[in-house]
Amino acid sequence: GQQLNQSPQSMFIQEGEDVSMNCTSSSIFNTWLWYKQDPGEGPVLLIALYKAGELTSNGRLTAQFGITRKDSFLNISASIPSDVGIYFCAGSARGDDMRFGAGTRLTVKP
Amino acid sequence: GAVVSQHPSRVICKSGTSVKIECRSLDFQATTMFWYRQFPKQSLMLMATSNEGSKATYEQGVEKDKFLINHASLTLSTLTVTSAHPEDSSFYICSARVQGGGYTFGSGTRLTVV
Repeated sequence: GQQLNQSPQSMFIQEGEDVSMNCTSSSIFNTWLWYKQDPGEGPVLLIALYKAGELTSNGRLTAQFGITRKDSFLNISASIPSDVGIYFCAGSARGDDMRFGAGTRLTVKP
Repeated sequence: GAVVSQHPSRVICKSGTSVKIECRSLDFQATTMFWYRQFPKQSLMLMATSNEGSKATYEQGVEKDKFLINHASLTLSTLTVTSAHPEDSSFYICSARVQGGGYTFGSGTRLTVV
């Protein structure tokens, strides 16, 4: 089951604002992944992180693999209305044991 | 990129009947696929790991006789919800690990049992 603590649970922001969300784990992970899910769809991979300390960007998105290997954050800069959705972190220790955070529901007001 | 095709996208069935959900890896071979269930406004919960040519591994609390998984080829895994009941209504999603360590997901199946 779910073993990651993801926060915040929800965010209501104004278009143009920056967003930050994070995940923590009680155990060490070797892979951190960030996904976005639109209603009625499967999650879509945004960023994958494989190395402690790694900082990776994908357009306006930036994610980091925490140095302790027990946390990760995702930042979205200059949010736009299409950023609306649910963002999930996922972590894996062995590669076949991926677990998801509870999700952060993002609402962007125009 | 690697694509997993999941069908059907929506299914409504009567209580007591069985429903089969298929996931196919379209341009790669998936020796392992994962099946998740997601209830409204909740996260994805891993149900089972499907291994090609061998028995699936189920998470604690998931009834293996109710959720039958078959992974007969390197590109196809199926989940059959047997004797479905209204409480089985949920969003079911499969995923497969791709080269490089990431995972790609199917588009999900919304099951409604009436």
